[in-house]
Amino acid sequence: ETGVTQSPTHLIKTRGQQVTLRCSSQSGHNTVSWYQQALGQGPQFIFQYYREEENGRGNFPPRFSGLQFPNYSSELNVNALELDDSALYLCASSASQMETQYFGPGTRLLVL
Amino acid sequence: DQQVKQNSPSLSVQEGRISILNCDYTNSMFDYFLWYKKYPAEGPTFLISISSIKDKNEDGRFTVFLNKSAKHLSLHIVPSQPGDSAVYFCAASYTSGTYKYIFGTGTRLKVLA
Repeated sequence: ETGVTQSPTHLIKTRGQQVTLRCSSQSGHNTVSWYQQALGQGPQFIFQYYREEENGRGNFPPRFSGLQFPNYSSELNVNALELDDSALYLCASSASQMETQYFGPGTRLLVL
Repeated sequence: DQQVKQNSPSLSVQEGRISILNCDYTNSMFDYFLWYKKYPAEGPTFLISISSIKDKNEDGRFTVFLNKSAKHLSLHIVPSQPGDSAVYFCAASYTSGTYKYIFGTGTRLKVLA
């Protein structure tokens, strides 16, 4: 059974650019949640997708957007990057909305 | 407003002894709690969870205790092993609305051989 995978592992962008991060959910999981973890902090919830629909959003601006595909993989898009967007972005999948979330290794984004 | 707090940023314990990691929360609507372990350059790994209808849950060397009246939970690791050295996050959620997790800021555990 393959776990949650994320790509790329690391990324460097400059302010104002756009970025797309990808996540493949664990086999049999239909729910994907995205979190941002800044240095020294715990992960903060960005949004969740359940069966291709957004199912809740945290306190993040609209320039953070996402998609979930029919195979339940997901993308996180961030437009107009700011320096404060530098963080580890974590994707978690679960068998359903209320099941335990299992995390991928994360994508480390650096915005210069 | 930090709804989930881990007030000890770090903890050192001798191998073989008990490690106790603490977590406090402010939102009485939380009804499900989890602990994750995180090694550098890896994502958080699920350890153990507890529903608010219970006050204790055990899984091998790991036990989580929940005190709802004090809004406090703790993770006990017995016996502690050097491989347990990692950052531990507690998380809380509620089963209404989006089932999102609210995380604490983590406690770095170092188990000394």
